[in-house]
Amino acid sequence: KAGVTQTPRYLIKTRGQQVTLSCSPISGHRSVSWYQQTPGQGLQFLFEYFSETQRNKGNFPGRFSGRQFSNSRSEMNVSTLELGDSALYLCASSFGGMNTEAFFGQGTRLTVV
Amino acid sequence: QQPVQSPQAVILREGEDAVINCSSSKALYSVHWYRQKHGEAPVFLMILLKGGEQKGHEKISASFNEKKQQSSLYLTASQLSYSGTYFCGTEHAGNNRKLIWGLGTSLAVNP
Repeated sequence: KAGVTQTPRYLIKTRGQQVTLSCSPISGHRSVSWYQQTPGQGLQFLFEYFSETQRNKGNFPGRFSGRQFSNSRSEMNVSTLELGDSALYLCASSFGGMNTEAFFGQGTRLTVV
Repeated sequence: QQPVQSPQAVILREGEDAVINCSSSKALYSVHWYRQKHGEAPVFLMILLKGGEQKGHEKISASFNEKKQQSSLYLTASQLSYSGTYFCGTEHAGNNRKLIWGLGTSLAVNP
């Protein structure tokens, strides 16, 4: 079966701009989680969506937002980009139950200049 | 509270064994282990639940020590394909499904 697809793979933006990242989960998966990965901080949880509702949220500022559509595809938006937002953004999909295996996409590498 | 992984990095020769630890200062509910190869997505290895038994995946197994709030990942007879960064994600009571990740352990297996 097709894996988790994230688009675009690479992105370069200027400070102050906004960006939207997309994640298409594995068919049948209703949960999509987003993570920010940097060398110094590791994997940081942003938020989780399940059946179009945000079910969990990490400790990121309000500039980071997301949504999920009825087909489970999810988007993440970052407004007013800062240099520190440069990172690999990963999404992971799962069936959404407790203690279930998550499947990660290859990520979107965002560079803010 | 971010779990602490040790060691930060390890280099092995093919066939050698290694242990990676993941320790938390908070009571653990479950520990999730993933491996990420350079430039690739993290891949699921196993989940250890509080009160659950030791799990295994090929020649990789893990344990959960409730007293120490620690999980250990055991890689035996390592293969070249084991190279990558190993991450543990911890889940705590009352914080279900919200994983907090360690910084990872870089493992290199050389011929």
